[in-house]
Amino acid sequence: IAGITQAPTSQILAAGRRMTLRCTQDMRHNAMYWYRQDLGLGLRLIHYSNTAGTTGKGEVPDGYSVSRANTDDFPLTLASAVPSQTSVYFCASSDEGTSGKDTQYFGPGTRLTVL
Amino acid sequence: AQSVTQPDIHITVSEGASLELRCNYSYGATPYLFWYVQSPGQGLQLLLKYFSGDTLVQGIKGFEAEFKRSQSSFNLRKPSVHWSDAAEYFCAVRPGGSYIPTFGRGTSLIVHP
Repeated sequence: IAGITQAPTSQILAAGRRMTLRCTQDMRHNAMYWYRQDLGLGLRLIHYSNTAGTTGKGEVPDGYSVSRANTDDFPLTLASAVPSQTSVYFCASSDEGTSGKDTQYFGPGTRLTVL
Repeated sequence: AQSVTQPDIHITVSEGASLELRCNYSYGATPYLFWYVQSPGQGLQLLLKYFSGDTLVQGIKGFEAEFKRSQSSFNLRKPSVHWSDAAEYFCAVRPGGSYIPTFGRGTSLIVHP
C-alpha cells in the first residue's frame, strides 16, 4: 500500500538520550517535511527537504536535525532529548512541481514522551 | 509572512445540522488554500484545496469551502453533519511558488447524536 510509514508508533525516552524518528515514503515524492503537533498550537514545521540531498529549517528547528540521503527516507534526530520535545511528530511528503500547489500526504505520527 | 487564523477552538453541533468552520488568512496575494481533517490518532488527510478559478470548491466527504478575497476567508461548510465527522480540522495556506504551508491551530468538531 502506497503511503508514508513512521516508526516507532510511540516512545518513552529519558531526557538526554538520543533518538531518531524514522520516516519512509514510497510515492517517490521529492519534498518531505517534519512537523510537531502540540495541543493548542496546531502543526509547526521543524525541518523540510525539497529534494534528496537538501534540507531546510522550519519554524521550530532547535534541538532537531534531519538528513535526506535518498528520495524515500527522511529521519529526524533528537541529539539530546528534553521534556519540551514531548509531542506528536508527523512526517509528510508532497510531489512538488514548480507551481508548488501539490497536496501533502501525512504519516500516522509518532507519539514521543521525554521524561 | 503569511498567517492563518481559525477563530474557533471547539465547535459543537448536533448530527444532521449544518456546519461552518472559519478560516482567515493574512497574505499579500492570493495564496493556495487547503483544508485538512485529522481523525483521532491519525495523520492529516486533505479535504479540499483552492488555487484559482471558481471560488466554491467541492471536496471529499460532502465538504465544500468558499474563497472570499474581500474577507480573506476560506470557510469550510457541510450541509448535514454525520457523527463520523467528529475530528480536528486544519486550514492551511501556502504562498504561490513556496513549498511551505502555514497551518492554523485547528478547530475541534464535536458531534452530538
